[in-house]
Amino acid sequence: KNQVEQSPQSLIILEGKNCTLQCNYTVSPFSNLRWYKQDTGRGPVSLTIMTFSENTKSNGRYTATLDADTKQSSLHITASQLSDSASYICVVSAQRNTPLVFGKGTRLSVIA
Amino acid sequence: DTAVSQTPKYLVTQMGNDKSIKCEQNLGHDTMYWYKQDSKKFLKIMFSYNNKELIINETVPNRFSPKSPDKAHLNLHINSLELGDSAVYFCASSLSTGGTEAFFGQGTRLTVV
Repeated sequence: KNQVEQSPQSLIILEGKNCTLQCNYTVSPFSNLRWYKQDTGRGPVSLTIMTFSENTKSNGRYTATLDADTKQSSLHITASQLSDSASYICVVSAQRNTPLVFGKGTRLSVIA
Repeated sequence: DTAVSQTPKYLVTQMGNDKSIKCEQNLGHDTMYWYKQDSKKFLKIMFSYNNKELIINETVPNRFSPKSPDKAHLNLHINSLELGDSAVYFCASSLSTGGTEAFFGQGTRLTVV
């Protein structure tokens, strides 16, 4: 069964600190993996996309990694800001005409 | 220049009523979706349309009926609303099926009382 598991469920960090969010998936055949950020009361917005051949991709202070062998991905946030407080959702795409598989998200709270 | 827009943003209604949520995208995408996000914040796909044709219909009560008059619009009609239908409903679109980025609307918070 195609599944995406994320950890931790929630995380509280101090402003300026770094953090890493984890995503494990069992989706097959794998097409790509995206990390989405969902602010409270808003729809998810894509941060990064990783395909099978990519190991690392950065988007500003966000760096995503992918290990296609172990089917794991991480999202590292550097020098966190209050505006980083949101849910971060790992989404894996399989072949055409199959639904995106969503993780349950990690709720990040950055406090001053 | 909103990409995916949903209306209304909030909807409070009584059990047994029938309601509709509208969605429009101006991105020229071929594929549109409806997702439900429950109280645990888990996003679940309900329907997917590609060029006005239904391609994904997950296990959803038949009280939910999507309608796509053209590929830029995907509306969701819900009959005989139940308390358990309370959730946030997100419309999304993507260039095509499978693997392309989904752009989400701001969500419609439905509360059934």
